Amino acid sequence: DVKVTQSSRYLVKRTGEKVFLECVQDMDHENMFWYRQDPGLGLRLIYFSYDVKMKEKGDIPEGYSVSREKKERFSLILESASTNQTSMYLCASSRRYSGGLNTEAFFGQGTRLTVV
Amino acid sequence: AQTVTQSQPEMSVQEAETVTLSCTYDTSESDYYLFWYKQPPSRQMILVIRQEAYKQQNATENRFSVNFQKAAKSFSLKISDSQLGDAAMYFCAYGAGGADGLTFGKGTHLIIQP
Repeated sequence: DVKVTQSSRYLVKRTGEKVFLECVQDMDHENMFWYRQDPGLGLRLIYFSYDVKMKEKGDIPEGYSVSREKKERFSLILESASTNQTSMYLCASSRRYSGGLNTEAFFGQGTRLTVV
Repeated sequence: AQTVTQSQPEMSVQEAETVTLSCTYDTSESDYYLFWYKQPPSRQMILVIRQEAYKQQNATENRFSVNFQKAAKSFSLKISDSQLGDAAMYFCAYGAGGADGLTFGKGTHLIIQP
């Protein structure tokens, strides 16, 4: 089974802190994603990576950056955390098929981040 | 940009009954995937069912089946013989090519009444 592991389930940080959310997948997937989930808004894509050191902005990249130094690991960085970044963060991975379509993503258990 | 719309924020069904969750999407692509994901209170997003747009046959997974109407851009999920463990948020998602990942709807909260 595919396993996507996020480093923390719950995190509390102070405004202005630099925050790292880590995600590791064990299925050699090319694609990795960071989504943000808020009630009534569904899942919104923050960043997407299709290969090591490659990244693409999603719908809401402002205030976030990412790092993918190894294929299995994708980190989300909040450079200076703010209260409006309090949310659920979901990491996902998927295989990239030759047709180039985005097929099913496998998710981690989520990190609930509270910025105070 | 593609959009996915789930018009039912919340649905309630009696245990053992059948319920249908609605989803519509907007795209100009001809080849893509559609998904239904389940998110129980434990928060783990679980893939329920997948449909490939070029396949006319509706996907089925045990008690879960879809009604895929490509021309109408509609993708509904039918849950038969509802069980208490089916209670969760259900998200419809769309995947095509490019760097967009999967696009999700806002979700439907499904309540199962014992």
